[in-house]
Amino acid sequence: DAGITQSPRHKVTETGTPVTLRCHQTENHRYMYWYRQDPGHGLRLIHYSYGVKDTDKGEVSDGYSVSRSKTEDFLLTLESATSSQTSVYFCATWSGETEAFFGQGTRLTVV
Amino acid sequence: KQEVTQIPAALSVPEGENLVLNCSFTDSAIYNLQWFRQDPGKGLTSLLLIQSSQREQTSGRLNASLDKSSGRSTLYIAASQPGDSATYLCAVENSGGSNYKLTFGKGTLLTVNP
Repeated sequence: DAGITQSPRHKVTETGTPVTLRCHQTENHRYMYWYRQDPGHGLRLIHYSYGVKDTDKGEVSDGYSVSRSKTEDFLLTLESATSSQTSVYFCATWSGETEAFFGQGTRLTVV
Repeated sequence: KQEVTQIPAALSVPEGENLVLNCSFTDSAIYNLQWFRQDPGKGLTSLLLIQSSQREQTSGRLNASLDKSSGRSTLYIAASQPGDSATYLCAVENSGGSNYKLTFGKGTLLTVNP
């Protein structure tokens, strides 16, 4: 596997609580992405980063924020988790030239 | 807005058969196209990357083609095996300014029966 680590791998949290998911890469890739994967919807882009402190919204960004203070780490925060945010979250990285690499995913359940 | 469609949504074939998976996209201004494989409960693994200037890429029993002008790509799997059973996704990288985003299709669930 490429050097991408997502943490935690599984999490159960209560509605209204803040949650932060972490993506750590050792590939030194410029671009990093957060996706959610849901049955019937496929993979949908939440936010992405094109450099340190440079981020932009994807198609389903409402309720999510991100931060990238260094190349290796891209954090996804749910400020106040809702049941609609129950999903599997994937982080991906890309150099801008070769193929993209994905983490193993974080299964988040909001109860 | 880029939209990626994969047909069929599911495919079941007997072992040994050759098969084709289809991917179409609405905006031909792409930087590249990638095919991924996803096993249940796992992340995505890149299979093939085709740059926008290329027509095809091959890796072992896999061959991917790209027709950018018509917005289509195919993934050809030769002599399918039960271990090929997985969901196959295609994704396009859109070129626009200096930032690049991956847009995915919903995938084709492939089952290869022994």
